[in-house]
Amino acid sequence: GAGVSQSPSNKVTEKGKDVELRCDPISGHTALYWYRQRLGQGLEFLIYFQGNSAPDKSGLPSDRFSAERTGESVSTLTIQRTQQEDSAVYLCASSWGREGLGNIQYFGAGTRLSVL
Amino acid sequence: SQKIEQNSEALNIQEGKTATLTCNYTNYSPAYLQWYRQDPGRGPVFLLLIRENEKEKRKERLKVTFDTTLKQSLFHITASQPADSATYLCALPFSGGYNKLIFGAGTRLAVHP
Repeated sequence: GAGVSQSPSNKVTEKGKDVELRCDPISGHTALYWYRQRLGQGLEFLIYFQGNSAPDKSGLPSDRFSAERTGESVSTLTIQRTQQEDSAVYLCASSWGREGLGNIQYFGAGTRLSVL
Repeated sequence: SQKIEQNSEALNIQEGKTATLTCNYTNYSPAYLQWYRQDPGRGPVFLLLIRENEKEKRKERLKVTFDTTLKQSLFHITASQPADSATYLCALPFSGGYNKLIFGAGTRLAVHP
């Protein structure tokens, strides 16, 4: 596709339910990132995939959060037993992931998650 | 730990004036710094990248400076237009992680006709 695609664009769920958020990166981009953005705040790094290397999960806030990526394509962020504080916009970005290119990141429009 | 600071207060300016936004960082020396624009309901969009050995970078009406002694970057928009109204984020690579970025909270710019 032409850009990073995220689905769904909006998700409303009840506290305690599990949710899955999907990201389709730009074709050929080896690096993929997930961020969380709470209302009026900056981007909070969650997880980073680079090619076939083990993902950098250092930003995941709890063990309720997990993410997978199949090769260099689609990624899914899963939040189990959602809590109200999980309400935020979840942004996905991809990049060429090569040093020397300055790691310009291309973002999707995000998934707005509301936990009732 | 690394810290990025951007002015949290919105910047209001008149159309045609130059907008100047500030990004300060502490505790390390990044190899590069980036600026992004974010409109409401959308993901950030890359604008400019400046490397540690560059003092200044320009792109059309945009100019970025990078002072590694002061640990500061300035982002200028000349001849500002109402369409420039958005939130502007600066981003730096994590220390020891060239491909992983830490973002500032952003500064909201409002350009009034």
